[in-house]
Amino acid sequence: DAKTTQPPSMDCAEGRAANLPCNHSTISGNEYVYWYRQIHSQGPQYIIHGLKNNETNEMASLIITEDRKSSTLILPHATLRDTAVYYCIVRSQGGKLIFGQGTELSVKP
Amino acid sequence: NAGVTQTPKFRILKIGQSMTLQCAQDMNHNYMYWYRQDPGMGLKLIYYSVGAGITDKGEVPNGYNVSRSTTEDFPLRLELAAPSQTSVYFCASSYNGLIANTGELFFGEGSRLTVL
Repeated sequence: DAKTTQPPSMDCAEGRAANLPCNHSTISGNEYVYWYRQIHSQGPQYIIHGLKNNETNEMASLIITEDRKSSTLILPHATLRDTAVYYCIVRSQGGKLIFGQGTELSVKP
Repeated sequence: NAGVTQTPKFRILKIGQSMTLQCAQDMNHNYMYWYRQDPGMGLKLIYYSVGAGITDKGEVPNGYNVSRSTTEDFPLRLELAAPSQTSVYFCASSYNGLIANTGELFFGEGSRLTVL
């Protein structure tokens, strides 16, 4: 399974864009990049996923580099409610999602 | 739809006791998963199932057993509880098909287990 590397913590000012990086240098050609977040002690929440192209939905944008070795999750206008742990995950064959340590994002007023 | 339902939400066990954490989903998802999360840590995959009658080990299966007799239910059994199994347990489900395959996992609210 491809491993991911994320910074343990980041800060962001409310209303500004939050850019969360993720390295996945050993990703295989058929593996997707998924992003989830976990607010406090709730169950993780799906945000977005992608294979090669950049993706956007109502929550966030996902930018994947051309060589697919890294990606960035963008929250365009962070709010206090976006304070959470964000997990970047590479999906292995067989449907397993292996979570890493994630990035703890603190959005500050 | 209720989504993914876990019971109980809280439980305290004594060392050596056994118990089953229940998980049910009503979304007709074929894949189901059990994760545990220790304080301040990320989620670790215990077991998962790709369909009724099929289960496989995840990252940390020791001390646990699962079964998948129906599409809806995926119980997790602890046979001899140990303090190291004190954790929050999350059940999740997803639909993985040949055509529609977002891989999005839907999580339950968690079951908080303490072993003393």
